[in-house]
Amino acid sequence: EAGVAQSPRYKIIEKRQSVAFWCNPISGHATLYWYQQILGQGPKLLIQFQNNGVVDDSQLPKDRFSAERLKGVDSTLKIQPAKLEDSAVYLCASSLGVGASNEKLFFGSGTQLSVL
Amino acid sequence: AQTVTQSQPEMSVQEAETVTLSCTYDTSESNYYLFWYKQPPSRQMILVIRQEAYKQQNATENRFSVNFQKAAKSFSLKISDSQLGDTAMYFCAFTPNSGYALNFGKGTSLLVTP
Repeated sequence: EAGVAQSPRYKIIEKRQSVAFWCNPISGHATLYWYQQILGQGPKLLIQFQNNGVVDDSQLPKDRFSAERLKGVDSTLKIQPAKLEDSAVYLCASSLGVGASNEKLFFGSGTQLSVL
Repeated sequence: AQTVTQSQPEMSVQEAETVTLSCTYDTSESNYYLFWYKQPPSRQMILVIRQEAYKQQNATENRFSVNFQKAAKSFSLKISDSQLGDTAMYFCAFTPNSGYALNFGKGTSLLVTP
């Protein structure tokens, strides 16, 4: 079974530039999550999709971050413009159903972003 | 708001020994779920073990077991017969109900030495 694919693996940009991350979840998984993991901290949820609808984006900084999940499959997370504090690993995860309580989450290997 | 606290930033254990990682949480929910995830250097989070709050029996998965104390809001992970491959960051996580995403602690870095 193919896992959650993310690209790129690493990205270095200067502040005020734009960047986009891509995630391909496991085939058939309805729920997709984007987490931000700052060095020394646990992952923090940015946005949760069920199919192509948003379930929770309460912690997404909407003035600079945007995300979409077209056709309920692949997802793209964008930052425009980037700030120094956006340096982090961005993790994508997916699950077959809705809700992390009774669904196993499968994580990708993340994209490590460095903003200089 | 729900919070998850891991008070041990780093721990070390010798191969074949037993180690316990601590986790406490704060919630007003009566039913919820607790998890331990492992994150090796590859960065991919892997589920280690899961506990449902309404179940009194502690969950076990091979060498991994938990000590769940609901009244104390404590959820520790015990790793028996530690192996070099257990070296990783370990995150305690909480979710109150179906439809919610995971809320993670800051993690404990575990080093298993020969």
